[in-house]
Amino acid sequence: QKEVEQDPGPLSVPEGAIVSLNCTYSNSAFQYFMWYRQYSRKGPELLMYTYSSGNKEDGRFTAQVDKSSKYISLFIRDSQPSDSATYLCAMSAPNLNFGNEKLTFGTGTRLTIIP
Amino acid sequence: DSGVTQTPKHLITATGQRVTLRCSPRSGDLSVYWYQQSLDQGLQFLIQYYNGEERAKGNILERFSAQQFPDLHSELNLSSLELGDSALYFCASSPDSSTDTQYFGPGTRLTVL
Repeated sequence: QKEVEQDPGPLSVPEGAIVSLNCTYSNSAFQYFMWYRQYSRKGPELLMYTYSSGNKEDGRFTAQVDKSSKYISLFIRDSQPSDSATYLCAMSAPNLNFGNEKLTFGTGTRLTIIP
Repeated sequence: DSGVTQTPKHLITATGQRVTLRCSPRSGDLSVYWYQQSLDQGLQFLIQYYNGEERAKGNILERFSAQQFPDLHSELNLSSLELGDSALYFCASSPDSSTDTQYFGPGTRLTVL
């Protein structure tokens, strides 16, 4: 079983819809949770960063972390064609000696917003 | 543009050969990370360097090695290449040794024939 599981999709939704992307994980030591967006033939870019449980909102994007269920979500409101990309979740555990452990990524969900 | 540069963009080579991928981190960033991305495995962490020293190792094969130079640029060396090494190789950088905020380069696409 992988440490981080993510539905690869593909996921296609009409423009303006609310999109929900999810990851589950098995390592209870994970404390830092991120969502990266990767456009075709580009490197991943950091979209959202959350520490521990709770919600974080940034414009049309909301990240949720439920540590009790080991489940994280990214919601995109009023989705736009420019949101079409692959979305990767990533997470890491704290390291007492130096910052955090390495990032562990999900395999990514390919999202297409249909105009 | 993340500020991380990688060269070359594309590399085509034959099995058994050796290649070097180069990465320049964002100005002021001390950590460099290397990742391999393939269709079936997703984004896999290979190795991290912080200010010239190896900080963390992931799923890096013994045929692969990396280093970070005094000017903080980094090179990833891949030797005895196999067909399965064909992938996208990304470099990322962060300001310090903490891994939570990483800025990725555009990647090098390696094709082994």
